[in-house]
Amino acid sequence: DGGITQSPKYLFRKEGQNVTLSCEQNLNHDAMYWYRQDPGQGLRLIYYSQIVNDFQKGDIAEGYSVSREKKESFPLTVTSAQKNPTAFYLCASSSQGVRDSPLHFGNGTRLTVT
Amino acid sequence: KQEVTQIPAALSVPEGENLVLNCSFTDSAIYNLQWFRQDPGKGLTSLLLIQSSQREQTSGRLNASLDKSSGRSTLYIAASQPGDSATYLCAVIRGGGTYKYIFGTGTRLKVLA
Repeated sequence: DGGITQSPKYLFRKEGQNVTLSCEQNLNHDAMYWYRQDPGQGLRLIYYSQIVNDFQKGDIAEGYSVSREKKESFPLTVTSAQKNPTAFYLCASSSQGVRDSPLHFGNGTRLTVT
Repeated sequence: KQEVTQIPAALSVPEGENLVLNCSFTDSAIYNLQWFRQDPGKGLTSLLLIQSSQREQTSGRLNASLDKSSGRSTLYIAASQPGDSATYLCAVIRGGGTYKYIFGTGTRLKVLA
């Protein structure tokens, strides 16, 4: 079955360490997205990529980095510069005509930094 | 700046009741609107997508309507079941070249058996 796989489901890190969250999709979608979800807030866009080797900052990109070397993969690195990294991170994808097709989401990675 | 509001934040209803969830947005210049369902600790599942030129979309017991001029959308759930218990979120995307969805904070629904 086609879908988006995020790993790991839970991730614990010490403050000051960089950590990379994995996102893989086999839907053959061109566009991929990273969102952050905090309690009581709507999802906020971190980065998005419309095509391989290209990506754009979203609304809260500071302290995060991404790469898009393959169509199927869009890993997110949470760096030590991110001041409040503890959150639920969601990866999503859509076909090229993103405004005409639904967003598909993975099951998320819950990151806890202490 | 586009803002999306969902009221109420939480709702409990007895099984079998028909119910309406509300979504309001401040800028009517949207391209489409999506309704999602989120189960605890899970990702979002797209339920319905309404293009700006459409007034409503239906899928099974779900019906979503869109009134751009008033900045409102409603999600109607018929004959609610305990399995419908989840958080329901709406999101809008502007016209133009943007690829950014703006999400509401959701309505947490509990259907009591």
